[in-house]
Amino acid sequence: EVQLVQSGAEVKKPGESLKISCKGSGYTFTSHWIGWVRQMPGKGLEWMGIIYAGDSGTRYSPSFQGLVTISVDKSISTAYLQWSSLKASDTAMYYCARHGDVVVPEWVDYWGQGTLVTVSS
Amino acid sequence: QSALTQPASVSGSPGQSITISCIGTSSDVGGYNYVSWYQQHPGKAPKLMIYDVSKRPSGVSNRFSASKSGKTASLTISGLQAEDEADYYCSSYTDTTTFGVFGGGTKLTVL
Repeated sequence: EVQLVQSGAEVKKPGESLKISCKGSGYTFTSHWIGWVRQMPGKGLEWMGIIYAGDSGTRYSPSFQGLVTISVDKSISTAYLQWSSLKASDTAMYYCARHGDVVVPEWVDYWGQGTLVTVSS
Repeated sequence: QSALTQPASVSGSPGQSITISCIGTSSDVGGYNYVSWYQQHPGKAPKLMIYDVSKRPSGVSNRFSASKSGKTASLTISGLQAEDEADYYCSSYTDTTTFGVFGGGTKLTVL
């Protein structure tokens, strides 16, 4: 059974750093893209960026380029999303998701349960 | 890049059919046959309902169908049921980022 299990909820202060994780299991981790999606409170879904677990190649949405870093540790089948300096506006639910197509990474077939990040002074 | 355009809300009675539109540009919906649709219930992760414009994943009801014409993709839900009440998002491949862009989401209310 394919599963993506994300790390737990976080409460941080503005200016702090954070790294959240997404562990894949039940499939060949290095054969798929993993994407990160932001959902701000009461708002819609936004693609942040994706990473190919096989070679760590990354693509970012212009809205998030330079603001976050997506990485992967193949040895433990885990993808990461990190911030160096959080802002209150980073408060949101963050989902990781597995892309079903390796050649054209558009649709996703499995989602993590989400990690709620709250940034407040 | 700009999100795809969806109506904010649609509604229908049980048993009826509804259609949700998703309008893009020639850089996304209009240029590629890579459109997907997701259902999201409150407090839950999204669920894939349609991929590659009109393909249904295993386990998704055949009451869900989709198509595309030009720069507009559409999701149709027939025989509306109470459990269909949810938010629906379209997504398309875009050559701006070489991965996906979401629509703004549509809240479906089953009356």
